[in-house]
Amino acid sequence: GNSVTQMEGPVTLSEEAFLTINCTYTATGYPSLFWYVQYPGEGLQLLLKATKADDKGSNKGFEATYRKETTSFHLEKGSVQVSDSAVYFCALTRNTGGFKTIFGAGTRLFVKA
Amino acid sequence: DTGVSQDPRHKITKRGQNVTFRCDPISEHNRLYWYRQTLGQGPEFLTYFQNEAQLEKSRLLSDRFSAERPKGSFSTLEIQRTEQGDSAMYLCASSPGTGNEGEAFFGQGTRLTVV
Repeated sequence: GNSVTQMEGPVTLSEEAFLTINCTYTATGYPSLFWYVQYPGEGLQLLLKATKADDKGSNKGFEATYRKETTSFHLEKGSVQVSDSAVYFCALTRNTGGFKTIFGAGTRLFVKA
Repeated sequence: DTGVSQDPRHKITKRGQNVTFRCDPISEHNRLYWYRQTLGQGPEFLTYFQNEAQLEKSRLLSDRFSAERPKGSFSTLEIQRTEQGDSAMYLCASSPGTGNEGEAFFGQGTRLTVV
């Protein structure tokens, strides 16, 4: 079946450090891939997306590249800020008749000043 | 447009009681989804509507759960005879019917606590 696996947290970084959160997926065909973010006390928000192989999604300094050969969609940011502290979810959608989103378990990021 | 709204935001109920949650999706979105999220986990799919038709239900959706979207606009999720294991955040999402490129837009959720 379709699934998403992401690195366990929490991840604790100092401000301005480089961030990588690993994400790999299992899916038949050509899923669309997403990163969602959940800030404390808020709902899930789309951070970035990529809809086909080799696409790079980017937003707010975050980037992720759709790698079909390694079935990965790792999230990166060159210099994190305290305000980036949140839970990050890797996700995919497939055309299974409903396009439902399948999420990873989430990775909590703490950024220290 | 104010996005996806859910009501109530919080619900505390006694075990055995019935509860009903409401979701108002983004107005032009014809797809509506319900998810459940427990602490430390990602959201898990419960059910999906295309307009008023309920097209898919997860195995997680026991017979105590029922969802409706009578006019293809708002949706309700009812849980009958609640159990402590039903305590979770219930999320609603909507998306436009344009293939799998479109992301889902989530509401802020209804947090259910069964005591």
